[in-house]
Amino acid sequence: KQEVTQIPAALSVPEGENLVLNCSFTDSAIYNLQWFRQDPGKGLTSLLLIQSSQREQTSGRLNASLDKSSGRSTLYIAASQPGDSATYLCAVRGAGRRALTFGSGTRLQVQP
Amino acid sequence: ETGVTQTPRHLVMGMTNKKSLKCEQHLGHNAMYWYKQSAKKPLELMFVYNFKEQTENNSVPSRFSPECPNSSHLFLHLHTLQPEDSALYLCASSQGASGESEQFFGPGTRLTVL
Repeated sequence: KQEVTQIPAALSVPEGENLVLNCSFTDSAIYNLQWFRQDPGKGLTSLLLIQSSQREQTSGRLNASLDKSSGRSTLYIAASQPGDSATYLCAVRGAGRRALTFGSGTRLQVQP
Repeated sequence: ETGVTQTPRHLVMGMTNKKSLKCEQHLGHNAMYWYKQSAKKPLELMFVYNFKEQTENNSVPSRFSPECPNSSHLFLHLHTLQPEDSALYLCASSQGASGESEQFFGPGTRLTVL
């Protein structure tokens, strides 16, 4: 059974810092991995999707990497801003399944 | 309307009530999903529909009854719920035929069971 772990569970940084969020998964047989952002009490906003054949994806200040063989992904946020404060969720889509398996998330607070 | 919409956004119900959650996607997708997000637990899958057919049921209690009349609409019928069923219920959709497709989520329905 696929398990997804995110470290750290919570993170507080001053504005302007570069930061890295970590995600690990136990079964490397995946189709893809998605990073989401969730604001308190709200739905999920998709940030980046990495296919299993890809190593990384970039969107603006965000860069996500994938090392499928070791079961790891990182989300790099450059020059963090207070508006980046949210919970970041990592989810993997296992081979042969349509549904996503989610981690518990990293709650990020960027201090102005 | 664009993307994935859910109604109502908030719902309070008693344990003897019957209510329904509605999800609609305007993306032309073929697959739709119900997920549950409880406090202090990871998001967990409930049901998957592909071309209106249920393809996954993640051992969900029968007090939750899904319905998918077409590829654009998904319902979750609720009856005799328990207080522990209080959670954020999220709907998602994807271009279901491909394993590489991205999932798009609605804003969720915040359910409180008294």
